[in-house]
Amino acid sequence: AQSVAQPEDQVNVAEGNPLTVKCTYSVSGNPYLFWYVQYPNRGLQFLLKYITGDNLVKGSYGFEAEFNKSQTSFHLKKPSALVSDSALYFCAVRDKRGATNKLIFGTGTLLAVQP
Amino acid sequence: NAGVTQTPKFQVLKTGQSMTLQCAQDMNHEYMSWYRQDPGMGLRLIHYSVGAGITDQGEVPNGYNVSRSTTEDFPLRLLSAAPSQTSVYFCASSYSFDGTDTQYFGPGTRLTVL
Repeated sequence: AQSVAQPEDQVNVAEGNPLTVKCTYSVSGNPYLFWYVQYPNRGLQFLLKYITGDNLVKGSYGFEAEFNKSQTSFHLKKPSALVSDSALYFCAVRDKRGATNKLIFGTGTLLAVQP
Repeated sequence: NAGVTQTPKFQVLKTGQSMTLQCAQDMNHEYMSWYRQDPGMGLRLIHYSVGAGITDQGEVPNGYNVSRSTTEDFPLRLLSAAPSQTSVYFCASSYSFDGTDTQYFGPGTRLTVL
């Protein structure tokens, strides 16, 4: 079955420290992977995506993610966390079954950055 | 560009009432879709459209209808609201539907059914 797992419900990090939000996936063939961020009472904002090419993908607001095919992972990273990064982060993979163009989302990871 | 817009932002309905959630995009995107977001379940696809006049069901379509008469608009109709439809609804759009294009989401509609 195609799925996305975000093993941590919450990640706590001090401002200025590096952060990692974990994501693993299960999908047939080569995956199309995405990260979105949701601020309180707001919609989902696109951060970055991996379709093909370089395994290290750079995105908005200083975030990056590394695609690791052997570990089926797509972890989100940032070298230095900001308090304003505190939000709910979703990893998603494009469902390759059928023609729905559906994104399969993880359950989300709440990132809390302490000042 | 306004991107993807949704109205209303909040809505409270009584069981059995009907309503339409509006979604519009000004990016000339062919693909549009509706998701619902429930705690601990991520987002689930309700209906989608690959162009004007073409719609199809997602994974949780029961209780919802859609139509796509123009490229810009993709309304979601609840025919007879039920408490199980209490959720946050997001509309999304992308230029194509081959999976490589980014899907952009609207700000959401928070619906409560009493």
